[in-house]
Amino acid sequence: QQQVKQSPQSLIVQKGGIPIINCAYENTAFDYFPWYQQFPGKGPALLIAIRPDVSEKKEGRFTISFNKSAKQFSLHIMDSQPGDSATYFCAASLESYGGATNKLIFGTGTLLAVQP
Amino acid sequence: NAGVTQTPKFQVLKTGQSMTLQCAQDMNHNSMYWYRQDPGMGLRLIYYSASEGTTDKGEVPNGYNVSRLNKREFSLRLESAAPSQTSVYFCASSDPPLTYEQYFGPGTRLTVT
Repeated sequence: QQQVKQSPQSLIVQKGGIPIINCAYENTAFDYFPWYQQFPGKGPALLIAIRPDVSEKKEGRFTISFNKSAKQFSLHIMDSQPGDSATYFCAASLESYGGATNKLIFGTGTLLAVQP
Repeated sequence: NAGVTQTPKFQVLKTGQSMTLQCAQDMNHNSMYWYRQDPGMGLRLIYYSASEGTTDKGEVPNGYNVSRLNKREFSLRLESAAPSQTSVYFCASSDPPLTYEQYFGPGTRLTVT
């Protein structure tokens, strides 16, 4: 019930394409859903995050779509560029409202390659 | 403002040896975390500390101990390293409820032979 399932494991798109990465969760108590981006040899960095009271959030070329009833959320990258080539992780967290800490449960990651 | 720093960057140990991974943050965050990253398994939480003086187990704590030395520093100790502990280790910090973003360090690549 604590798992976050992420797919696909890897993805190759052409420059300008719209890669979509999907995640599903079981625990309805999760209340914070971030996406992290990781380049080789670096630590993950927050890309965008959403809470379950909204169905979509957009920041620049990155959009999260959230479906509370299906317990699924996805990341869309508009007009993808070779510089977006990285590993993307979805995550979910409990106790985020007023909690002293937010323990993240990560998906298994998606390796994205954007070809020029 | 360095963010989260980790030492060492790389380490090779023999089975049974011990070592401590160091982590420090300069953002005045209350919460700190240790994760391990293995291929195909994402990041898994080992231990976390909600504030100075407190620590709690995460998803995969066996074989590890931690110390929250002060607000800035959170160390991870392997008492008797095993090949199954070969991994990349990341330290992170955050400051809920002010910010839920976790800031990660650059990682330590550990190989146990």
